[in-house]
Amino acid sequence: DVKVTQSSRYLVKRTGEKVFLECVQDMDHENMFWYRQDPGLGLRLIYFSYDVKMKEKGDIPEGYSVSREKKERFSLILESASTNQTSMYLCASPPGSSVGTDTQYFGPGTRLTVL
Amino acid sequence: RKEVEQDPGPFNVPEGATVAFNCTYSNSASQSFFWYRQDCRKEPKLLMSVYSSGNEDGRFTAQLNRASQYISLLIRDSKLSDSATYLCVVNARGSQGNLIFGKGTKLSVKP
Repeated sequence: DVKVTQSSRYLVKRTGEKVFLECVQDMDHENMFWYRQDPGLGLRLIYFSYDVKMKEKGDIPEGYSVSREKKERFSLILESASTNQTSMYLCASPPGSSVGTDTQYFGPGTRLTVL
Repeated sequence: RKEVEQDPGPFNVPEGATVAFNCTYSNSASQSFFWYRQDCRKEPKLLMSVYSSGNEDGRFTAQLNRASQYISLLIRDSKLSDSATYLCVVNARGSQGNLIFGKGTKLSVKP
Protein backbone atom coordinates (compact mmCIF):
# COMPACT_ATOMS: atom_id res chain seq x y z
CA ASP A 1 0.00 0.00 0.00
CA VAL A 2 1.36 3.41 -0.91
CA LYS A 3 2.35 5.68 1.90
CA VAL A 4 3.14 9.37 2.08
CA THR A 5 3.76 10.80 5.53
CA GLN A 6 4.14 14.33 6.77
CA SER A 7 6.02 15.30 9.91
CA SER A 8 3.20 17.15 11.65
CA ARG A 9 -0.59 17.24 11.40
CA TYR A 10 -0.88 20.60 13.17
CA LEU A 11 1.72 23.30 13.58
CA VAL A 12 1.59 26.77 15.14
CA LYS A 13 4.39 29.22 14.45
CA ARG A 14 5.04 32.89 14.91
CA THR A 15 5.58 35.49 12.21
CA GLY A 16 9.21 35.56 11.11
CA GLU A 17 10.04 32.04 12.21
CA LYS A 18 11.71 29.61 9.82
CA VAL A 19 9.44 26.62 9.31
CA PHE A 20 10.29 23.19 7.96
CA LEU A 21 7.59 20.84 6.67
CA GLU A 22 8.81 17.34 5.98
CA CYS A 23 7.37 14.77 3.63
CA VAL A 24 8.49 11.19 3.26
CA GLN A 25 7.34 8.56 0.77
CA ASP A 26 8.23 4.90 1.00
CA MET A 27 7.37 4.02 -2.59
CA ASP A 28 10.70 4.84 -4.25
CA HIS A 29 8.92 7.44 -6.41
CA GLU A 30 10.91 9.96 -8.35
CA ASN A 31 8.35 12.75 -8.30
CA MET A 32 7.17 14.67 -5.27
CA PHE A 33 4.95 17.74 -4.96
CA TRP A 34 4.01 20.35 -2.40
CA TYR A 35 0.59 22.06 -2.50
CA ARG A 36 -1.27 24.41 -0.29
CA GLN A 37 -5.04 24.34 -0.01
CA ASP A 38 -7.17 27.30 1.02
CA PRO A 39 -10.96 27.73 1.10
CA GLY A 40 -12.24 29.04 -2.20
CA LEU A 41 -8.83 28.73 -3.86
CA GLY A 42 -8.47 24.97 -4.09
CA LEU A 43 -5.13 23.21 -4.34
CA ARG A 44 -2.24 25.30 -5.59
CA LEU A 45 1.15 23.94 -6.52
CA ILE A 46 4.09 25.46 -4.67
CA TYR A 47 7.09 23.38 -5.79
CA PHE A 48 7.81 19.97 -7.20
CA SER A 49 10.79 17.74 -7.74
CA TYR A 50 11.49 15.09 -10.37
CA ASP A 51 14.65 13.75 -8.79
CA VAL A 52 17.11 14.18 -5.97
CA LYS A 53 18.51 17.72 -5.83
CA MET A 54 16.13 18.82 -8.57
CA LYS A 55 13.33 21.29 -8.00
CA GLU A 56 10.86 23.19 -10.12
CA LYS A 57 8.70 26.15 -9.20
CA GLY A 58 5.00 25.67 -9.25
CA ASP A 59 2.34 28.34 -9.45
CA ILE A 60 2.97 30.06 -6.11
CA PRO A 61 6.63 29.59 -5.05
CA GLU A 62 7.08 33.03 -3.51
CA GLY A 63 8.01 32.84 0.17
CA TYR A 64 8.91 29.16 -0.04
CA SER A 65 11.91 27.02 -0.83
CA VAL A 66 12.40 23.26 -0.99
CA SER A 67 15.06 20.66 -0.43
CA ARG A 68 15.38 17.15 -1.91
CA GLU A 69 18.58 15.60 -0.63
CA LYS A 70 17.26 12.05 -0.60
CA LYS A 71 14.79 10.40 -2.93
CA GLU A 72 12.27 9.61 -0.21
CA ARG A 73 12.24 13.03 1.45
CA PHE A 74 10.99 16.37 0.16
CA SER A 75 11.07 19.34 2.51
CA LEU A 76 9.17 22.60 2.22
CA ILE A 77 10.77 25.59 3.91
CA LEU A 78 9.16 28.85 4.88
CA GLU A 79 12.16 31.12 5.28
CA SER A 80 10.27 33.74 7.30
CA ALA A 81 6.72 32.70 8.05
CA SER A 82 3.96 35.23 7.50
CA THR A 83 0.29 35.16 8.47
CA ASN A 84 -0.77 34.75 4.82
CA GLN A 85 1.01 31.41 4.83
CA THR A 86 -1.52 30.01 7.26
CA SER A 87 -2.92 27.11 5.28
CA MET A 88 -3.22 23.36 4.82
CA TYR A 89 -0.05 22.01 3.22
CA LEU A 90 -0.26 18.76 1.30
CA CYS A 91 2.60 16.65 0.01
CA ALA A 92 1.94 14.28 -2.87
CA SER A 93 3.73 11.73 -4.98
CA PRO A 94 2.66 9.92 -8.16
CA PRO A 95 3.60 6.29 -8.76
CA GLY A 96 5.19 6.63 -12.15
CA SER A 97 7.02 8.92 -14.52
CA SER A 98 4.82 8.21 -17.50
CA VAL A 99 1.60 9.88 -18.44
CA GLY A 100 -1.27 7.73 -17.28
CA THR A 101 0.48 6.77 -14.09
CA ASP A 102 0.42 10.26 -12.68
CA THR A 103 -2.20 9.66 -10.04
CA GLN A 104 -1.20 11.59 -6.97
CA TYR A 105 -1.04 9.97 -3.55
CA PHE A 106 -1.32 12.54 -0.81
CA GLY A 107 0.03 12.72 2.68
CA PRO A 108 -2.41 13.53 5.50
CA GLY A 109 -1.58 17.23 5.36
CA THR A 110 -0.11 19.74 7.80
CA ARG A 111 -2.39 22.47 9.02
CA LEU A 112 -0.08 25.41 9.67
CA THR A 113 -1.14 28.47 11.63
CA VAL A 114 1.13 31.49 11.65
CA LEU A 115 0.38 33.97 14.43
CA ARG B 1 -9.91 31.08 -18.56
CA LYS B 2 -9.30 28.86 -15.54
CA GLU B 3 -7.64 25.55 -16.31
CA VAL B 4 -10.18 23.34 -14.58
CA GLU B 5 -13.62 24.65 -13.71
CA GLN B 6 -16.27 23.06 -11.55
CA ASP B 7 -19.55 24.17 -10.05
CA PRO B 8 -18.64 24.72 -6.37
CA GLY B 9 -22.06 23.67 -5.13
CA PRO B 10 -23.02 22.81 -2.53
CA PHE B 11 -25.26 20.09 -3.85
CA ASN B 12 -27.72 19.08 -1.17
CA VAL B 13 -29.51 15.86 -2.09
CA PRO B 14 -31.59 13.25 -0.27
CA GLU B 15 -30.38 9.70 0.17
CA GLY B 16 -31.02 7.60 -2.90
CA ALA B 17 -30.85 10.52 -5.30
CA THR B 18 -28.79 10.58 -8.46
CA VAL B 19 -26.41 13.50 -8.69
CA ALA B 20 -24.16 14.64 -11.52
CA PHE B 21 -21.05 16.81 -11.40
CA ASN B 22 -19.57 18.51 -14.39
CA CYS B 23 -16.14 19.86 -15.11
CA THR B 24 -14.46 21.63 -18.02
CA TYR B 25 -10.77 21.92 -18.72
CA SER B 26 -8.91 24.38 -20.92
CA ASN B 27 -5.81 22.50 -22.06
CA SER B 28 -6.56 20.32 -25.05
CA ALA B 29 -3.17 18.60 -24.60
CA SER B 30 -4.25 17.04 -21.30
CA GLN B 31 -4.10 13.28 -21.41
CA SER B 32 -5.02 12.04 -17.95
CA PHE B 33 -8.22 12.76 -16.10
CA PHE B 34 -9.38 11.87 -12.62
CA TRP B 35 -12.01 12.41 -9.99
CA TYR B 36 -10.77 12.74 -6.42
CA ARG B 37 -12.78 12.74 -3.24
CA GLN B 38 -11.87 14.87 -0.24
CA ASP B 39 -13.52 14.50 3.14
CA CYS B 40 -13.60 17.43 5.53
CA ARG B 41 -10.12 18.19 6.92
CA LYS B 42 -8.63 15.18 5.14
CA GLU B 43 -6.37 14.75 2.15
CA PRO B 44 -7.74 14.17 -1.36
CA LYS B 45 -7.98 10.55 -2.41
CA LEU B 46 -8.36 9.11 -5.86
CA LEU B 47 -11.93 8.11 -6.58
CA MET B 48 -11.52 7.01 -10.17
CA SER B 49 -9.68 7.67 -13.38
CA VAL B 50 -11.68 8.87 -16.38
CA TYR B 51 -11.33 7.22 -19.77
CA SER B 52 -12.57 8.30 -23.18
CA SER B 53 -14.82 5.28 -23.40
CA GLY B 54 -16.42 6.09 -20.07
CA ASN B 55 -16.00 3.93 -17.01
CA GLU B 56 -18.08 2.73 -14.13
CA ASP B 57 -17.25 1.67 -10.61
CA GLY B 58 -20.30 0.51 -8.72
CA ARG B 59 -22.59 3.50 -8.26
CA PHE B 60 -20.09 5.88 -9.85
CA THR B 61 -19.84 6.58 -13.57
CA ALA B 62 -17.27 8.90 -15.13
CA GLN B 63 -17.30 10.18 -18.68
CA LEU B 64 -14.96 12.22 -20.81
CA ASN B 65 -15.72 14.25 -23.90
CA ARG B 66 -12.42 15.32 -25.42
CA ALA B 67 -14.01 17.36 -28.18
CA SER B 68 -15.88 19.50 -25.66
CA GLN B 69 -13.14 19.24 -23.03
CA TYR B 70 -15.74 18.13 -20.55
CA ILE B 71 -15.68 15.57 -17.74
CA SER B 72 -18.59 14.29 -15.70
CA LEU B 73 -19.20 12.18 -12.63
CA LEU B 74 -22.54 10.54 -11.94
CA ILE B 75 -23.40 9.11 -8.54
CA ARG B 76 -26.44 6.87 -8.38
CA ASP B 77 -28.36 5.88 -5.25
CA SER B 78 -26.37 8.34 -3.15
CA LYS B 79 -25.47 7.41 0.43
CA LEU B 80 -24.84 9.55 3.47
CA SER B 81 -21.21 8.45 3.24
CA ASP B 82 -20.91 10.05 -0.21
CA SER B 83 -20.94 13.48 1.44
CA ALA B 84 -17.61 15.04 0.55
CA THR B 85 -16.00 17.42 -1.89
CA TYR B 86 -15.32 16.02 -5.35
CA LEU B 87 -12.32 17.34 -7.23
CA CYS B 88 -11.96 17.22 -10.98
CA VAL B 89 -8.32 16.74 -11.97
CA VAL B 90 -6.38 16.81 -15.24
CA ASN B 91 -2.70 16.53 -15.93
CA ALA B 92 -0.91 19.78 -16.77
CA ARG B 93 0.14 20.28 -20.34
CA GLY B 94 0.81 16.59 -20.83
CA SER B 95 3.57 16.62 -18.24
CA GLN B 96 4.42 13.79 -15.95
CA GLY B 97 2.70 13.69 -12.62
CA ASN B 98 1.88 17.39 -12.56
CA LEU B 99 -1.84 17.67 -12.00
CA ILE B 100 -4.22 20.60 -12.11
CA PHE B 101 -7.03 20.44 -9.58
CA GLY B 102 -10.43 22.00 -9.83
CA LYS B 103 -11.65 23.77 -6.72
CA GLY B 104 -14.11 21.01 -6.02
CA THR B 105 -17.84 20.50 -5.78
CA LYS B 106 -19.27 19.96 -2.34
CA LEU B 107 -21.90 17.25 -1.95
CA SER B 108 -24.09 16.86 1.08
CA VAL B 109 -26.39 13.83 1.21
CA LYS B 110 -29.20 14.17 3.72
CA PRO B 111 -31.30 11.42 5.34
